[in-house]
Amino acid sequence: DTEVTQTPKHLVMGMTNKKSLKCEQHMGHRAMYWYKQKAKKPPELMFVYSYEKLSINESVPSRFSPECPNSSLLNLHLHALQPEDSALYLCASSLGGRRLFGQGTRLTVV
Amino acid sequence: QKEVEQDPGPLSVPEGAIVSLNCTYSNSAFQYFMWYRQYSRKGPELLMYTYSSGNKEDGRFTAQVDKSSKYISLFIRDSQPSDSATYLCAMTAPNNFNKFYFGSGTKLNVKP
Repeated sequence: DTEVTQTPKHLVMGMTNKKSLKCEQHMGHRAMYWYKQKAKKPPELMFVYSYEKLSINESVPSRFSPECPNSSLLNLHLHALQPEDSALYLCASSLGGRRLFGQGTRLTVV
Repeated sequence: QKEVEQDPGPLSVPEGAIVSLNCTYSNSAFQYFMWYRQYSRKGPELLMYTYSSGNKEDGRFTAQVDKSSKYISLFIRDSQPSDSATYLCAMTAPNNFNKFYFGSGTKLNVKP
C-alpha cells in the first residue's frame, strides 16, 4: 500500500457545523501533515505530526483542530469555519524528504 | 525574494513536443528536490525525487539538478495531452524535512 487516503472527497458545511476530515496511510511513515491549498496556489503547511505528536502548528486558527489517534491515522476537526476557509485540504506523509499527498478533500463553507 | 521561483505559465505545447519546466532557488542548504504533477481539483502526485546534483530519468521524465547554479529542471519527452496539469517543484533541507518549499506551479497545456 503506497498511498495516502483521504475522506470525504467533497464536503459542504455551514458556518455553525462541526465536521471532521480523515486521512490514512499504511506505509509506516511517522511524519504526517495537513496542508491547505487555494486555487492556483501551492499547498500551505498547517500542521505537522511526528511520531503521533504535534510538532508544528503554523499559527492555524483554533477552529481547525488536528488529532493523530495512531501512527496510521490523522484527523482534522472543523468547527465554526468561515467562507474563506473553503479550499482543498491535503493530507501528506513522509519518509525523510519523500512526501506523498492524498487526493484531498474539497471543502466548501456556506 | 521568494525561496523558490517558478514561472507560472501557462505553457502551451503541441503533442509530441519536449517540455522543459524550471525552478530556481536561493537556499544552498536544499538537497532534496521533488517534482509533483497536480491535475485540477486533485492532490499533488510525486513524479520525481532527487538528491543533490545530477540527472534522474523515469520513462518520459528526466529531472536535473544543478546545485552550483541553484537551478532544477523537469523534462518531459513526447508530451501527451494527459500531461496537461500544473507542475510544482518542491525542495527541502536535510536538517528540516518538515519544511517543504514549493514553487508557485507551472500550468502546462499539451494540445492534441
